[in-house]
Amino acid sequence: NAGVTQTPKFQVLKTGQSMTLQCAQDMNHEYMSWYRQDPGMGLRLIHYSVGAGITDQGEVPNGYNVSRSTTEDFPLRLLSAAPSQTSVYFCASSYQQGLDTEAFFGQGTRLTVV
Amino acid sequence: SQQGEEDPQALSIQEGENATMNCSYKTSINNLQWYRQNSGRGLVHLILIRSNEREKHSGRLRVTLDTSKKSSSLLITASRAADTASYFCATDDDRGSTLGRLYFGRGTQLTVWP
Repeated sequence: NAGVTQTPKFQVLKTGQSMTLQCAQDMNHEYMSWYRQDPGMGLRLIHYSVGAGITDQGEVPNGYNVSRSTTEDFPLRLLSAAPSQTSVYFCASSYQQGLDTEAFFGQGTRLTVV
Repeated sequence: SQQGEEDPQALSIQEGENATMNCSYKTSINNLQWYRQNSGRGLVHLILIRSNEREKHSGRLRVTLDTSKKSSSLLITASRAADTASYFCATDDDRGSTLGRLYFGRGTQLTVWP
């Protein structure tokens, strides 16, 4: 199993450009999430999904869109990139077993907006 | 925000010593988890402790949970240089309507010197 796969690993964008960060998981997990990690800020939740066709906002959703058309894929779209979106982005998938949950993370996408 | 807060922010010890990291959180939880992040990599799940548990062991890891104080600690015994990483606590939300969401702290950077 590949687990959670994120592409690309690195990306440089110009302000105003758009792009999609890809995330795919092969563990048949219901839940998928996008986080951004900034120095000294830990991981902050951008958007998450509890299943195909269902998404919701996290702590810092502005400037990002998501969709979940299949269980496997959860792309994150930046509509008009801004320097404030320079960060490392992590996609995670998780399962729920009773009240227990465990998240599996991709390797991250390092995005720089100039 | 239900974000946990780890303490200390940074910890530097010699190989063979024990490392203790603390986490505080804000609201009621079903469980608390600890994750590890090696430099430039995604997070990896270490251990989960449920709200009705007070202590849990896994190899050289010992986790405690005090729900009355809304705090947890992670002890790594007999530390090795390979334990050098950032450690994050993550909590869920017991409201039930936010299944799959995890809230992360800012992390403790542990450095273990040979």
